[in-house]
Amino acid sequence: NAGVTQTPKFQVLKTGQSMTLQCAQDMNHEYMSWYRQDPGMGLRLIHYSVGAGITDQGEVPNGYNVSRSTTEDFPLRLLSAAPSQTSVYFCASSTRTGGTETQYFGPGTRLLVL
Amino acid sequence: SQKIEQNSEALNIQEGKTATLTCNYTNYSPAYLQWYRQDPGRGPVFLLLIRENEKEKRKERLKVTFDTTLKQSLFHITASQPADSATYLCALDLYSSASKIIFGSGTRLSIRP
Repeated sequence: NAGVTQTPKFQVLKTGQSMTLQCAQDMNHEYMSWYRQDPGMGLRLIHYSVGAGITDQGEVPNGYNVSRSTTEDFPLRLLSAAPSQTSVYFCASSTRTGGTETQYFGPGTRLLVL
Repeated sequence: SQKIEQNSEALNIQEGKTATLTCNYTNYSPAYLQWYRQDPGRGPVFLLLIRENEKEKRKERLKVTFDTTLKQSLFHITASQPADSATYLCALDLYSSASKIIFGSGTRLSIRP
């Protein structure tokens, strides 16, 4: 049981390049989400999904796309990277929001956009 | 506007004392409130969850209170230890209104020996 895994751990992009941050979980969780964390800003919700085929926007969705074709995977796509997207990205999962469900976080992806 | 504020960006206390961290929110109606611990370079780790109809929740040396009238949660660590030094994040679970979990900016806690 690996929990929540994220790849890559580090990435450097040039402005305008595209990339996909991968997130996978092996706990059969329905709920998955992506956050970005910047100094002094805490975690800000980018997109989330309550199940396969269902996604919705969080607080800061602009510049990011997501899809959820399987329960296990929730990739985050940057179509045209900008320096403002330099951040640490965390993926998280839980059985669902609310109740006693613990939200598990991945180790994060550090992204630098030049 | 909607806000989650954790006052005290940083808190320094003496080992053995009780650390109290505050989380205030406005214009949200959370069904649940969660507290997480985050160490440098790592993802947050879930600590405690409290429901809107609960006043207090305890787990070992941790205690959380939740006042929906004041729109405030207090997080206490009793008999604090240097190993408790970390950033602590509160999060609102908007389960009843939206499937979102929204985080505060965190409080960096340092326990000096």
